[in-house]
Amino acid sequence: AQKVTQAQTEISVVEKEDVTLDCVYETRDTTYYLFWYKQPPSGELVFLIRRNSFDEQNEISGRYSWNFQKSTSSFNFTITASQVVDSAVYFCALSEALEAAGNKLTFGGGTRVLVKP
Amino acid sequence: DTGVSQDPRHKITKRGQNVTFRCDPISEHNRLYWYRQTLGQGPEFLTYFQNEAQLEKSRLLSDRFSAERPKGSFSTLEIQRTEQGDSAMYLCASSWTVAKEETQYFGPGTRLLVL
Repeated sequence: AQKVTQAQTEISVVEKEDVTLDCVYETRDTTYYLFWYKQPPSGELVFLIRRNSFDEQNEISGRYSWNFQKSTSSFNFTITASQVVDSAVYFCALSEALEAAGNKLTFGGGTRVLVKP
Repeated sequence: DTGVSQDPRHKITKRGQNVTFRCDPISEHNRLYWYRQTLGQGPEFLTYFQNEAQLEKSRLLSDRFSAERPKGSFSTLEIQRTEQGDSAMYLCASSWTVAKEETQYFGPGTRLLVL
């Protein structure tokens, strides 16, 4: 069975500090996809990134960066120079790549990030 | 391009009543998913549709739950004889699948409170 663990339940930082969110996953599949979503107080899940299991290149998008390490089954997310608008709950998620079965997402428990001015 | 929409955004009902939620996916998306999220937890998969066919249901989806996607467009999720344990946020997501690459885009959710 698939499992995603986000050990940090809440992180509080002061604006402009960097914050790293940990994500560890378990799967028996050799092909899978990893995702990060942001859930602001409004409740809507906002897609941030998708990464497939064959692509271990790190990725940077503005102030966001992701570190995928297959050897440790981790897919960590860093927000550089945090801003108040980054305050939200962030979810890491995993899906199989079995087209016939659908790519249902298995989510971690989420990490609440609070950025103080 | 409009995003996924859900209606209603909030629903308060008494135990034992039936409720129905609607999800309108991004146009031309062929897959539609329903998830449930309880307070402080990540979303959990309930069911999904490929066009109008319901292809998978979670064991979380008891006999009191039913979902439809007539004509492969909007979807409805009905809960019969609601229980207090059904109180949660119900999230809908849609996607367009190309090969095995897929990203699900979520709606704003319907927050259900069963009194």
